[in-house]
Amino acid sequence: GDSVTQTEGQVALSEEDFLTIHCNYSASGYPALFWYVQYPGEGPQFLFRASRDKEKGSSRGFEATYDKGTTSFHLRKASVQESDSAVYYCALGVVLSGSFNKLTFGAGTRLAVCP
Amino acid sequence: GGIITQTPKFLIGQEGQKLTLKCQQNFNHDTMYWYRQDSGKGLRLIYYSITENDLQKGDLSEGYDASREKKSSFSLTVTSAQKNEMAVFLCASGSYEQYFGPGTRLTVL
Repeated sequence: GDSVTQTEGQVALSEEDFLTIHCNYSASGYPALFWYVQYPGEGPQFLFRASRDKEKGSSRGFEATYDKGTTSFHLRKASVQESDSAVYYCALGVVLSGSFNKLTFGAGTRLAVCP
Repeated sequence: GGIITQTPKFLIGQEGQKLTLKCQQNFNHDTMYWYRQDSGKGLRLIYYSITENDLQKGDLSEGYDASREKKSSFSLTVTSAQKNEMAVFLCASGSYEQYFGPGTRLTVL
């Protein structure tokens, strides 16, 4: 079945550090790839997506590029802030019918940014 | 914009008890979802519904029932709560992009 692997369970950085969270996927067919962010006490929020090979998604200074060759969608940010502290989820999506997108989530990566 | 409301925010139950969680959305989305979130395991799909009165099982449906009587609401029932169970149940709606509620935190004593 489809699966998503996030290598880092936790990441601790200082403000202005560069962030990379690794995401690799396994899927039959050609899924869309997503990043969601979850702040304490809230549900996950959609960050951005990419739907085809070499497409770059981006939002709020975060970006990731869909790489079908390496089956990856790594999240990067050039300079993190304390307010970026949250849990980040990588997900893949497969449209099974006209209005249903089945998302498969990774285990999540907890980012802590110290001032 | 829209919002997803989940009630209750916290739910404490006893072993073997039947517990119901409720979700309302005003996005006017056709599709709604219930996920379970466990620490270190990400989100796992329990049930989804692509229209009023439709129900489809997800990957983790055993031990749960669901109900979609109106387009705007989707309920989840834990049929028999398991002792020491702790999890967050998240409701979502949408098609290609999914919008999540804040969750119901379940503790079973």
